[in-house]
Amino acid sequence: DTEVTQTPKHLVMGMTNKKSLKCEQHMGHRAMYWYKQKAKKPPELMFVYSYEKLSINESVPSRFSPECPNSSLLNLHLHALQPEDSALYLCASSLQRDYEQYFGPGTRLTVT
Amino acid sequence: AQKVTQAQTEISVVEKEDVTLDCVYETRDTTYYLFWYKQPPSGELVFLIRRNSFDEQNEISGRYSWNFQKSTSSFNFTITASQVVDSAVYFCALSEVGDDKIIFGKGTRLHILP
Repeated sequence: DTEVTQTPKHLVMGMTNKKSLKCEQHMGHRAMYWYKQKAKKPPELMFVYSYEKLSINESVPSRFSPECPNSSLLNLHLHALQPEDSALYLCASSLQRDYEQYFGPGTRLTVT
Repeated sequence: AQKVTQAQTEISVVEKEDVTLDCVYETRDTTYYLFWYKQPPSGELVFLIRRNSFDEQNEISGRYSWNFQKSTSSFNFTITASQVVDSAVYFCALSEVGDDKIIFGKGTRLHILP
């Protein structure tokens, strides 16, 4: 089963709201990733967790806060976002670093 | 520095034609991985292939084939007898061994016309 699930599918939030995106995989993968993708652009890496520890933060603004409660779950907490943060947020997982990443369907976020 | 170049921004072909998507990469490492991903209109990226830099054998999977040439730093992808369901954005990507991240090319948008 090569499935990564993400909830919610769509999210509309105001600039003062706090919300969270959730990602889950049950493939025993030890690396998990958050990407942001704008229309007609490739995915941009935001965060990498390897063995539940944050290994990469690609200079993402602090209004995005990742959390990895256990090896199957990855959250992205959102607070005080800007309209330019509207995008498709993709979660991915891989067995370990260097292995292929399997992506979830994404959360389409709109900030109003 | 790592870089992946997909020079073809958009391609349109008629169904049943063969089509090749080009990918050229740059890396200073001798050991690396190359990937292709498909992103249909639904938005989810679908993994297609991962290739180790030491393995230059071409690969075929059904109507898909990949041509890896280290001498020209290219990893091209061919779809034979294209179908409308092949319409998607295709990304080539590169990862250096021991690196947590993969570098994506800008993608090629492929339209298969009925």
